Amino acid sequence: GNSVTQMEGPVTLSEEAFLTINCTYTATGYPSLFWYVQYPGEGLQLLLKATKADDKGSNKGFEATYRKETTSFHLEKGSVQVSDSAVYFCALSDHQGAQKLVFGQGTRLTINP
Amino acid sequence: DTGVSQDPRHKITKRGQNVTFRCDPISEHNRLYWYRQTLGQGPEFLTYFQNEAQLEKSRLLSDRFSAERPKGSFSTLEIQRTEQGDSAMYLCASSFWLAGSNTGELFFGEGSRLTVL
Repeated sequence: GNSVTQMEGPVTLSEEAFLTINCTYTATGYPSLFWYVQYPGEGLQLLLKATKADDKGSNKGFEATYRKETTSFHLEKGSVQVSDSAVYFCALSDHQGAQKLVFGQGTRLTINP
Repeated sequence: DTGVSQDPRHKITKRGQNVTFRCDPISEHNRLYWYRQTLGQGPEFLTYFQNEAQLEKSRLLSDRFSAERPKGSFSTLEIQRTEQGDSAMYLCASSFWLAGSNTGELFFGEGSRLTVL
């Protein structure tokens, strides 16, 4: 079945540091890929998405590129801020049937000033 | 606010009691999903509806769990004879599905946290 594996956390960085959170997936066919973010006390919010190979999703300074050859969708940001502290989830959705999201286990990110 | 809303936000109950959660999706969305999230884990799919029809249920959804979406709008998730292992965040999400033009994006509510004592 489909699955998503994220780098284990927690991750702690200083403000303005470079961020990478690794995500790899296993899926049949060509899924859509997502990064969702969960800020403290809030619900899951879509951060960015990519629907086909080589697409780059971007939002709020975050980027991720859909790499079919390495089955990866790593999240990057060049300069993190304290307000980026949250839990980040990588997810995939197939294009058939339920189109339900399959999530990774999440990576807790803490940014220190 | 036109987002997904869930009620109650937090429920504390004793083992053996029944609990019910409600989800109101975004009004034009025809699909509604229930997920469960335990501490330190990603959300896990439980079930989903297209309009009023329940089309898929996960093996995680034991016989004690039942979900309905009677008029294709709001949905309820009931857990009977709760157990301590049911303690989790129950998330509702919705989407508008149209054949041939979907990206798979779901819109989530803030969740209903269940604590079983």
